[in-house]
Amino acid sequence: DAGVIQSPRHEVTEMGQEVTLRCKPISGHNSLFWYRQTMMRGLELLIYFNNNVPIDDSGMPEDRFSAKMPNASFSTLKIQPSEPRDSAVYFCASTPQGSGTGELFFGEGSRLTVL
Amino acid sequence: GENVEQHPSTLSVQEGDSAVIKCTYSDSASNYFPWYKQELGKRPQLIIDIRSNVGEKKDQRIAVTLNKTAKHFSLHITETQPEDSAVYFCAASMRGGGADGLTFGKGTHLIIQP
Repeated sequence: DAGVIQSPRHEVTEMGQEVTLRCKPISGHNSLFWYRQTMMRGLELLIYFNNNVPIDDSGMPEDRFSAKMPNASFSTLKIQPSEPRDSAVYFCASTPQGSGTGELFFGEGSRLTVL
Repeated sequence: GENVEQHPSTLSVQEGDSAVIKCTYSDSASNYFPWYKQELGKRPQLIIDIRSNVGEKKDQRIAVTLNKTAKHFSLHITETQPEDSAVYFCAASMRGGGADGLTFGKGTHLIIQP
């Protein structure tokens, strides 16, 4: 398996623009997580899905952020409008729910820079 | 919600010496405590984990201990090597049943001095 696939790997945009980050989880994994990583705040859980259903979005910083999972093999995280403080590395991770292992498999991350 | 504190933020040790990283958590219901290693520019990867029914777990040069009463757990790395240089994150969750998100500590930058 190719692992969790994220795109784009790097994104540079200007303040006010819409940003869409994409994630393909590992096939057969039915839990998907979006994390944001910054030096100041570390790894923060933004939202997670079980079987394509959003379970907890309490970590989403504000209404400018939204996430969807239209099917088991694809998820998006959208920021509209983007702001410089959104600059971070955004990780997607997946795990097979109920596997008992608990291991999260992370993608390579999407590094976002908002100018 | 869960809150995980991790110390120290930076740790420098001589190659061959041991390194210890400590974490505390707030939610007594948490029962799963993994450790992730993140090399520069790479993704976090699981290196070891422990569940609340176990007090200690070892895998070659790394070990994790858990004190549920005190709500703290630690990562021990013995005979450190240059490739151990990375950022290490502890985490906690209630993963006994359904999937929920891990709450991570802020990380420890481990530097192995040659």
